[in-house]
Amino acid sequence: GAVVSQHPSRVICKSGTSVKIECRSLDFQATTMFWYRQFPKKSLMLMATSNEGSKATYEQGVEKDKFLINHASLTLSTLTVTSAHPEDSSFYICSARWGGRGDTQYFGPGTRLTVL
Amino acid sequence: QQQVKQSPQSLIVQKGGISIINCAYENTAFDYFPWYQQFPGKGPALLIAIRPDVSEKKEGRFTISFNKSAKQFSLHIMDSQPGDSATYFCAASMTGNNRKLIWGLGTSLAVNP
Repeated sequence: GAVVSQHPSRVICKSGTSVKIECRSLDFQATTMFWYRQFPKKSLMLMATSNEGSKATYEQGVEKDKFLINHASLTLSTLTVTSAHPEDSSFYICSARWGGRGDTQYFGPGTRLTVL
Repeated sequence: QQQVKQSPQSLIVQKGGISIINCAYENTAFDYFPWYQQFPGKGPALLIAIRPDVSEKKEGRFTISFNKSAKQFSLHIMDSQPGDSATYFCAASMTGNNRKLIWGLGTSLAVNP
């Protein structure tokens, strides 16, 4: 149980385009979802936290207009990287937490974004 | 300010040996301490977690030791195998704030055959 999927697993796009990444909890209802960014050989950097039906809370230094997060249902959250630039290239990972299952965050497999 | 300090940064262990990774925290409000394992190109996977009311928790070859007074906790991997070669992250969270995880910087473990 507690499976989180992400789609796509890998995406390459041109500079200036927008990219949407989906995060789904497959077998539980995610009251809270988190979006992380990870650079090579580095720790996870929390970008934002979203609760279903509410606006996302962004960490300091993360541009909310650049990284749009929508958590429209208890099983789906999306991250849209708007007007992507090469510096946005990174590994993006989502996680989900179900209040009923306690404090554990379950992670998706990640999405590798490359902006040319 | 790094609230969870993890060491060592990298670790090489022989097959069958014991791998030990240490973490220290500062905020006494933390009450949940998970360890995650991450393979290259994959998302982190929960290995084992502990709460401050328990001094040790074991799941298979993985054991967490917790020292509340010292504000330290560690992961022990017994009988380390080449398949355990991965990056390990400790983390901590507290009630409220959506249980946001505060992460250590990670330990790259290599288990030699």
